[in-house]
Amino acid sequence: GEDVEQSLFLSVREGDSSVINCTYTDSSSTYLYWYKQEPGAGLQLLTYIFSNMDMKQDQRLTVLLNKKDKHLSLRIADTQTGDSAIYFCAESKMNGGSQGNLIFGKGTKLSVKP
Amino acid sequence: KAGVTQTPRYLIKTRGQQVTLSCSPISGHRSVSWYQQTPGQGLQFLFEYFSETQRNKGNFPGRFSGRQFSNSRSEMNVSTLELGDSALYLCASRSTGTDTQYFGPGTRLTVL
Repeated sequence: GEDVEQSLFLSVREGDSSVINCTYTDSSSTYLYWYKQEPGAGLQLLTYIFSNMDMKQDQRLTVLLNKKDKHLSLRIADTQTGDSAIYFCAESKMNGGSQGNLIFGKGTKLSVKP
Repeated sequence: KAGVTQTPRYLIKTRGQQVTLSCSPISGHRSVSWYQQTPGQGLQFLFEYFSETQRNKGNFPGRFSGRQFSNSRSEMNVSTLELGDSALYLCASRSTGTDTQYFGPGTRLTVL
């Protein structure tokens, strides 16, 4: 199958860490992505990880990849109210050599309480 | 560099009409992909264009079509609109040789 699965909701207190989890099914995916969507807006690329990496850190964001379990997570340190949004996990799907097709999860709505 | 731009941002049509949406990629990007976002189905891939050729297509009916021009700008067309076509249509561009896609703000289509 091609499903990418995420939990739908996450609520945290301002200043805490947030961890958003994702599982994917296509072991041939070369890149895995995290996008952020604020209300009424398009998708903002947050970060991505190449499939031969275990971890990537970018300021407050840490991505962990467990390729054996096909599990991806995004940790946001010191979560702020401005981080409230929907976060999408996505995998790239190879299709006859083309890498133009992203498979998205349903998104995790992060609510940050002051 | 300017980001991906999409026009119009909002559109209201009635059933049976057709609609054309436009996308201008980031300067230098030759690949443009289109996605449909609905509350029920989430984000679904429509098609990808590269150098004016459709390279990849999702599982949508033939009423959904697209094209790309020599300047890499892309349009998608939906004919004989149905209520279920109401959605946010997102365009993404990427540079040759990379996998990373950058999205525009989307066009919100409402079909009445």
